[in-house]
Amino acid sequence: GAVVSQHPSWVICKSGTSVKIECRSLDFQATTMFWYRQFPKQSLMLMATSNEGSKATYEQGVEKDKFLINHASLTLSTLTVTSAHPEDSSFYICSARDGGGTTGELFFGEGSRLTVL
Amino acid sequence: AQSVTQPDIHITVSEGASLELRCNYSYGATPYLFWYVQSPGQGLQLLLKYFSGDTLVQGIKGFEAEFKRSQSSFNLRKPSVHWSDAAEYFCAVAGMDSSYKLIFGSGTRLLVRP
Repeated sequence: GAVVSQHPSWVICKSGTSVKIECRSLDFQATTMFWYRQFPKQSLMLMATSNEGSKATYEQGVEKDKFLINHASLTLSTLTVTSAHPEDSSFYICSARDGGGTTGELFFGEGSRLTVL
Repeated sequence: AQSVTQPDIHITVSEGASLELRCNYSYGATPYLFWYVQSPGQGLQLLLKYFSGDTLVQGIKGFEAEFKRSQSSFNLRKPSVHWSDAAEYFCAVAGMDSSYKLIFGSGTRLLVRP
């Protein structure tokens, strides 16, 4: 099946710094990528939809200036957590839709765990 | 609005026993339905999906799910659980538009007794 890779898989940063997480589709072109956030022992909450070449669409309650999303190519979307604070610590997961597929299946990355000290 | 309910926070079964994880959805039309599994600290793996056609869907690892429109349910089943099945299971729904945004249930943690 298709592969989606996230990097880094875990990151620790100091409060006030910015962190960038990459999401790559390795063997297909992803016209649409999604970013989810997962708190410990909870479900995945959709943060935003990232469309190649256009601005991301954020879900209600998600700060677009806090969570910057860029989808500059068909294989790469990035999530930048700006001025991170401890409450931003979470597990971030991206998913990508195969633009050439017909089933609408989403492929998930392995997640990136962010810890803000 | 779309929503997914997984009423069981956690379920414990003995190895070799059968399993059924419940999922109910709320949607105005027939949605796309999915079951994913997540091991600790890992991403999600698709077990199976339902788009249309046969309401009994076969997935990987011996899992199956049945779509029941009258009950708005999409329960996941496995006839004989293995210890390696212990994980978190998420039911998800997506609209039939082009967005493919997934809305996830709260998850059910499966524990397997030896």
